Amino acid sequence: TQLLEQSPQFLSIQEGENLTVYCNSSSVFSSLQWYRQEPGEGPVLLVTVVTGGEVKKLKRLTFQFGDARKDSSLHITAAQPGDTGLYLCGQGAQKLVFGQGTRLTINP
Amino acid sequence: EPEVTQTPSHQVTQMGQEVILRCVPISNHLYFYWYRQILGQKVEFLVSFYNNEISEKSEIFDDQFSVERPDGSNFTLKIRSTKLEDSAMYFCASSGLGGNQPQHFGDGTRLSIL
Repeated sequence: TQLLEQSPQFLSIQEGENLTVYCNSSSVFSSLQWYRQEPGEGPVLLVTVVTGGEVKKLKRLTFQFGDARKDSSLHITAAQPGDTGLYLCGQGAQKLVFGQGTRLTINP
Repeated sequence: EPEVTQTPSHQVTQMGQEVILRCVPISNHLYFYWYRQILGQKVEFLVSFYNNEISEKSEIFDDQFSVERPDGSNFTLKIRSTKLEDSAMYFCASSGLGGNQPQHFGDGTRLSIL
């Protein structure tokens, strides 16, 4: 089972700032998914990255898959309070293995 | 957009009792899953289900647990003889056929064992 390490575990910044969170493993991923989870809700899929070096954009969110497919990052530009939540990376086809998540708080 | 629905949203049960958590997956999905999230911990895989049988299960999913698809729309998780440590959020998910199909999660059932 691949272990996914996410960093930082907690991040609290002011509205309008930029931030990057990371997901790392010692093993190669065939693909990696990013989810966002809000309190009292299930994880919601944001994006799946498959190809080494791939960059995907979702409005102000930019997802990058490392060239060696062992790591991924999520960059948020001009963060807004609505971005607050738990960001999870996950790997696997049927059996999804999640990292412990980055709990992001955007302060108005 | 179609979604996975779970009932109840919160279940309170006495230790030792049996509980059944219910899920209605997205209608054209063929793979179904249960995950557990103990408060403050990671989301953990419990079991995957395809073609009316378990395709994979974790070591958490012991004889205390069972899953069933009793009809064409529901997918249930039964926990027998509940223990205090079974208290957690239980998430159902479903996905379509084919590689790298994303899993869509319900909003979970909060199970509290007293």
